[in-house]
Amino acid sequence: DTEVTQTPKHLVMGMTNKKSLKCEQHMGHRAMYWYKQKAKKPPELMFVYSYEKLSINESVPSRFSPECPNSSLLNLHLHALQPEDSALYLCASSQDHQAVYGYTFGSGTRLTVV
Amino acid sequence: DAKTTQPPSMDCAEGRAANLPCNHSTISGNEYVYWYRQIHSQGPQYIIHGLKNNETNEMASLIITEDRKSSTLILPHATLRDTAVYYCISSWGGYQKVTFGTGTKLQVIP
Repeated sequence: DTEVTQTPKHLVMGMTNKKSLKCEQHMGHRAMYWYKQKAKKPPELMFVYSYEKLSINESVPSRFSPECPNSSLLNLHLHALQPEDSALYLCASSQDHQAVYGYTFGSGTRLTVV
Repeated sequence: DAKTTQPPSMDCAEGRAANLPCNHSTISGNEYVYWYRQIHSQGPQYIIHGLKNNETNEMASLIITEDRKSSTLILPHATLRDTAVYYCISSWGGYQKVTFGTGTKLQVIP
């Protein structure tokens, strides 16, 4: 298995809702990442987990809460989001924090906040 | 991570070689050059990476200048499916933060 699987592919949520994005990989990668991508812009790093521990938080608002329950799974919990948080959310993984061999990205979750 | 500079857009005729340049003049000695591409609304796809030497794989070739200040990604026979945004990134192997620049939008024309 050489893929990063993200679910759901599309999500519409209200500003008072709580929802979660899920990311899964079975490549034995020990580093996992969340990126946010607005339309016509490059992906922006949000969080990095290395060996199931949060190692980088790019000053992301607390309404985004990441969780790494095990080495194969990465969640992003969403609460009280704003319309401007609508974006494509990408998950990625790499062999370890060295990432010498590059990153594998999922296809993303398209989030719309109404 | 060193800052990279790429032209915002390029056109290439189908079947021809596409040569995508990238400037990374502030790259440090232990930073790799990575290339990814992103086809519309999909996740970025790893293409190739290198440190000093030129590299080739089944998708592309990477030419790095001797001073390592710039590189060129070569798609030898571009097809319509190669239409995408191509990102050049320089990053330490041991540092986890990867910053994407604005990339080059490559349009392959029939």
